[in-house]
This record gives sequence, C-alpha cells and structure tokens, in this order.
Amino acid sequence: DAGVIQSPRHEVTEMGQEVTLRCKPISGHDYLFWYRQTMMRGLELLIYFNNNVPIDDSGMPEDRFSAKMPNASFSTLKIQPSEPRDSAVYFCASSFRDSYTDTQYFGPGTRLTVL
Amino acid sequence: GEDVEQSLFLSVREGDSSVINCTYTDSSSTYLYWYKQEPGAGLQLLTYIFSNMDMKQDQRLTVLLNKKDKHLSLRIADTQTGDSAIYFCAADKGGGADGLTFGKGTHLIIQP
Repeated sequence: DAGVIQSPRHEVTEMGQEVTLRCKPISGHDYLFWYRQTMMRGLELLIYFNNNVPIDDSGMPEDRFSAKMPNASFSTLKIQPSEPRDSAVYFCASSFRDSYTDTQYFGPGTRLTVL
Repeated sequence: GEDVEQSLFLSVREGDSSVINCTYTDSSSTYLYWYKQEPGAGLQLLTYIFSNMDMKQDQRLTVLLNKKDKHLSLRIADTQTGDSAIYFCAADKGGGADGLTFGKGTHLIIQP
C-alpha cells in the first residue's frame, strides 16, 4: 500500500484566498483524521470521520474551515477565506478500528503558508 | 478528557541511551503509542504497548509502562544521529471512544 497520500505537499497563498487540501487514506481504513501542527500549539485534532461520516468537528477553529469525505478514498479540508494565522502543517491520518488498537497512519503533511 | 504530557527537549550524546518520558491521565487507556517525526515528514508509528504489559522491547527500543503512576517511557539504546527527531507519546481515549490524544512531542537532540 502507498500509505496515506496528501496533496499538495506545499501551498503558498495570499490572505483571503480559498485553500483546499486533499487526502487519500489507506485502502480499507474506516477512520480519517485531520490534524494541524504549529510550533505554538503542537498537534491539534481538527475533525475526524468514521465510514465517511463526520463524528467530531469540535477542533475546527472556526467557520472558515470545512471538511468533507464524499467517499471512502478521498477527503478534503477547505479554508475560505484563508488568513496568515492558518499557516501550519496539516496532516491527514487514517486507521482501521479493529478490536485491538487505534493505530493511526499519517500522511506526509501539507505545509500551508498564507501571506 | 485525557491529557498527555511530555518534556519538550532532550539532549544526549551519540552512543548514549536516550530516555523520553510521558505521563497520561486516563487510566482507562488501553494502548499507548510512541510516534517519531523526522524533519519535513509525517508522524511514523514506532511502537505501542498494551496497558496490561509493563515492558516491550524491539531492537534498540524499550518501552516501559507504569500503569499505577500512568507513566510511559521510551528508551533508545546506542542513540545515533538518525534518531534525531520529535517523539510523540499518545494514548487512546479508553472506554471505546475514538481516536488518540497526543502529547506535544519531545525534540531529541543528538550531540556528537
């Protein structure tokens, strides 16, 4: 398996623009997580899905952030409009909830810079 | 909710052992994890331990768990420059709840 795939790897945009981050989870995984990592706050869980359904979006900072999972192999995280304080590395992770562990597998991340 | 704490930095000499410590608050956590993040990369699972175990060894890595004190440690024997990374401790939320709670990560710095 190719692992969790994220695109783009780097994104530079101007304040006010719409940004869309993409994620392809590992095939067969039923959970998908979106995280944001900054030096100040560390790793923050934004939202997660189970079987394509959003379960907990309490970590989404504000209404400018939205996430979708239209099918089991694709998810997007959208920021509209973007602001400089959204600059961070955004990670997608997926897992398969068996009877044992919650091991999450992370993608390489998207480094977002909002100017 | 669960809280996972770890120190931010650890500096060791090449060839020495590194011990990274972590504490967690939820005694119902079933599995505890160590992830490694190298510069510019995502988090990579290193190892995990089941809560009814007190030790797990995997080559140069030794995980110790003190469930009574809710203390987890990761020992890296014969630390090499390639071990330089951020190490994250994580705990599941217990009680069947979804997801993991991550610590803020410990930056392991290797001195020559």
